[in-house]
Amino acid sequence: EVQLVESGGGLVQPGGSLRLSCAASGFTFSSYEMNWIRQAPGKGLEWVSYISSSGSTIYYADSVKGRFTVSRDNAKNSLYLQMNSLRAEDTAVYYCARVNLKRFVSYMDVWGKGTTVTVSS
Amino acid sequence: DIQMTQSPSSLSASVGDRVTITCRASQSISSYLNWYQQKPGKAPKLLIYAASSLQSGVPSRFSGSGSGTDFTLTISSLQPEDFATYYCQQSYSTLYSFGQGTKLEIK
Repeated sequence: EVQLVESGGGLVQPGGSLRLSCAASGFTFSSYEMNWIRQAPGKGLEWVSYISSSGSTIYYADSVKGRFTVSRDNAKNSLYLQMNSLRAEDTAVYYCARVNLKRFVSYMDVWGKGTTVTVSS
Repeated sequence: DIQMTQSPSSLSASVGDRVTITCRASQSISSYLNWYQQKPGKAPKLLIYAASSLQSGVPSRFSGSGSGTDFTLTISSLQPEDFATYYCQQSYSTLYSFGQGTKLEIK
């Protein structure tokens, strides 16, 4: 079964750090680009970060640039999001999602169930 | 950055109704447009990719159309399980962006 499972969420104080993980199974992880998406309570979806299949190309939303770092370990079938200098507005459910490509259009066809990050004192 | 705007933000409809949701991009994105469905407490689910291609396993009552800046998601005959929030998302830019969502509620 194709699956993504996030972990590492929790309660952290403003200014603190957290590292999220996303474990992939059921597909050749090293062949796929990946995204992190988040959703603040009661709000819509916000794209956070992209990483290419090899990890050589990375992009971030302006809202997290300079504070978050995405990485992957293809040998461990895992995706990571290191979050530093956390703010209250980073409170959200964080999803990892697989990027697929057909007819030159990329889309996110597999999503994890999400992990919750709460930034509060 | 490409801004995505959905309308309406919320919609009340009845089982059996035909429903259309609109998504507009701030610049032309060709057909680089995807639609997702999200139910409360669940992860989003891909419905339509490349503006009009139905994802495997998604019922044929869902359809998508459009190109350039204007896109639509249509549900031909609403079923009880379709009441959810729908999001459009552009992948023309690698700085992906989503619409604000359309909440579809039971009338």
